[in-house]
Amino acid sequence: NAGVTQTPKFQVLKTGQSMTLQCAQDMNHEYMSWYRQDPGMGLRLIHYSVGAGITDQGEVPNGYNVSRSTTEDFPLRLLSAAPSQTSVYFCASSTRGDSLSYEQYFGPGTRLTVT
Amino acid sequence: DAKTTQPPSMDCAEGRAANLPCNHSTISGNEYVYWYRQIHSQGPQYIIHGLKNNETNEMASLIITEDRKSSTLILPHATLRDTAVYYCIVRVASGYQKVTFGTGTKLQVIP
Repeated sequence: NAGVTQTPKFQVLKTGQSMTLQCAQDMNHEYMSWYRQDPGMGLRLIHYSVGAGITDQGEVPNGYNVSRSTTEDFPLRLLSAAPSQTSVYFCASSTRGDSLSYEQYFGPGTRLTVT
Repeated sequence: DAKTTQPPSMDCAEGRAANLPCNHSTISGNEYVYWYRQIHSQGPQYIIHGLKNNETNEMASLIITEDRKSSTLILPHATLRDTAVYYCIVRVASGYQKVTFGTGTKLQVIP
């Protein structure tokens, strides 16, 4: 299994540009999430999904859209990039909550700079 | 989810045990304690979790106090590769929760 994969690893955008961060998992996990991590800070939840076709907002959803058309993929869209969105973005997946090993698997991250 | 409190940083000599504390005084009866770590801006990595009994796996041991208001993650023989930020999280083990990662403890293993 490849686990959780994210593309691209690095991205530089100009203010106002849009882009999509890709996330895929091959573990047949129901739950997927997007987090952002700013320098010296913990992870903050942007959006999450509990299954295909179901998404919801996290702590900091403004400026981001998500969709979940398949179990495997959970892309994050930046609608109009702003310098405040400069951050490292992590995607995570986990099994359904009835598993006692309910651990999240994280991708390697996408480092985004908005100029 | 119950909130957790961790010291911002700790040092540990290489080869010694690293004991990382976490306070979770408002933990509910059905909430587990989970530990993750993040090595140098990589994605966080699951370490261990427990409810009330002490737990051990190949990476670490987790000691939970009898009243469950605090816990300690123990890395028995710290190596330089254990230098990382360690996050303590409490949550129920069923259903989906908006898990909050605080700022964790930055563990520096010193040669």
